[in-house]
Amino acid sequence: QQPVQSPQAVILREGEDAVINCSSSKALYSVHWYRQKHGEAPVFLMILLKGGEQKGHEKISASFNEKKQQSSLYLTASQLSYSGTYFCGTDAGGTSYGKLTFGQGTILTVHP
Amino acid sequence: DAGVIQSPRHEVTEMGQEVTLRCKPISGHDYLFWYRQTMMRGLELLIYFNNNVPIDDSGMPEDRFSAKMPNASFSTLKIQPSEPRDSAVYFCASGGSEAFFGQGTRLTVV
Repeated sequence: QQPVQSPQAVILREGEDAVINCSSSKALYSVHWYRQKHGEAPVFLMILLKGGEQKGHEKISASFNEKKQQSSLYLTASQLSYSGTYFCGTDAGGTSYGKLTFGQGTILTVHP
Repeated sequence: DAGVIQSPRHEVTEMGQEVTLRCKPISGHDYLFWYRQTMMRGLELLIYFNNNVPIDDSGMPEDRFSAKMPNASFSTLKIQPSEPRDSAVYFCASGGSEAFFGQGTRLTVV
């Protein structure tokens, strides 16, 4: 079952904040976040494990609510380089490696 | 390290032809994944290997698709015969909890 991401698209000005949500109907073991720029490969941002702590990557952080099977990605003080499509990948199988089911993606556009 | 290397980067072929996509994973990575990306279906896992052994091929759409990993440094994804609906970007990724993606092969079947 594919996780559902919201919103589908976000438009920001530099310096603004954004939150991207990822919800699953299955109990999750881990959630992985990737960013993909147009015409390029997805790039790993972070992984959140069941029972783990909130993770951070520069000004990008994420949380994982195991009870609700939800994860949120927080982008603060956005930069032009943050533009791209953000994907959450979920694993319900009790592993932490990349056997993932990806959401449909959230397109983030940051303007000057 | 040069990262995950895929070839070719672009492939245009006629319906019915055999297509072989190649992948060289990052040295030392135990897992190798083949994903397919389309606008309609997004990013889908086709098959993955652990230590060269296929573990889960439940994402392979049809018998026309096959994948091999004869050694730790090379994997292939073959489509025979190809159909227009196979047109997509095919990514190979290696790693573990953090998957490193190759640049992908854009396949167009006409």
